[in-house]
Amino acid sequence: EVQLVETGGGLVQPGRSLKLSCVASGFTFNNYWMSWTRQAPGKGLEWVASITNSGGSTYYPDSVKGRFTISRDNAQNTLYLQMNSLRSEDTATYYCTRDHYGGYEDYWGQGVMVTVSS
Amino acid sequence: DIQMTQSPASLSASLGETVTIECRASEDIYNGLAWYQQKPGKSPQLLIYNANSLHTGVPSRFSGSGSGTQYSLKINSLQSEDVASYFCQQYYDYNTFGAGTKLELK
Repeated sequence: EVQLVETGGGLVQPGRSLKLSCVASGFTFNNYWMSWTRQAPGKGLEWVASITNSGGSTYYPDSVKGRFTISRDNAQNTLYLQMNSLRSEDTATYYCTRDHYGGYEDYWGQGVMVTVSS
Repeated sequence: DIQMTQSPASLSASLGETVTIECRASEDIYNGLAWYQQKPGKSPQLLIYNANSLHTGVPSRFSGSGSGTQYSLKINSLQSEDVASYFCQQYYDYNTFGAGTKLELK
């Protein structure tokens, strides 16, 4: 059974940093691209970052480019999202997803809440 | 950037009814479209990929169709467990989601 478990969320002040982790199990982690997608309270879904199975390439939308960094440790079956210079508009539930080669997200974690507020 | 316009924003239907939700892309996305279901308080779950392929374990009352810029999700014989929000996603050019459709029972 595919499982994705996110940790690292919480309350953080604007301008500060936070790092999310996602531990994967139930599949061969280094065979799959992985992504982060977020959902602001009561709002829709927004893609945040993707990384190839080797970790050699990463992709971001303009809204987080230069502030967020996605990375992975294939030996530890773990995906990361380093978030710097956080803004109030980054407040959301962040989901770790298994990505079908840069396409659709076929499995989602339970999500972790990040609140950016003073 | 490709924009996704999803309609309707909300929908009320009766048990057993057939429901259709639509998504329009701002340019041709060549069937690079997925549909997700999100029940209250839960994470999204994949229903359909490549516009018309049913994900593993998804009931056959769900189906997807479309091409070019116009796509739709149909739910036949609506069940109580289908009460949820539904989102489309284009993945032809990076990723963009529709704003969602909230489906309720009448």
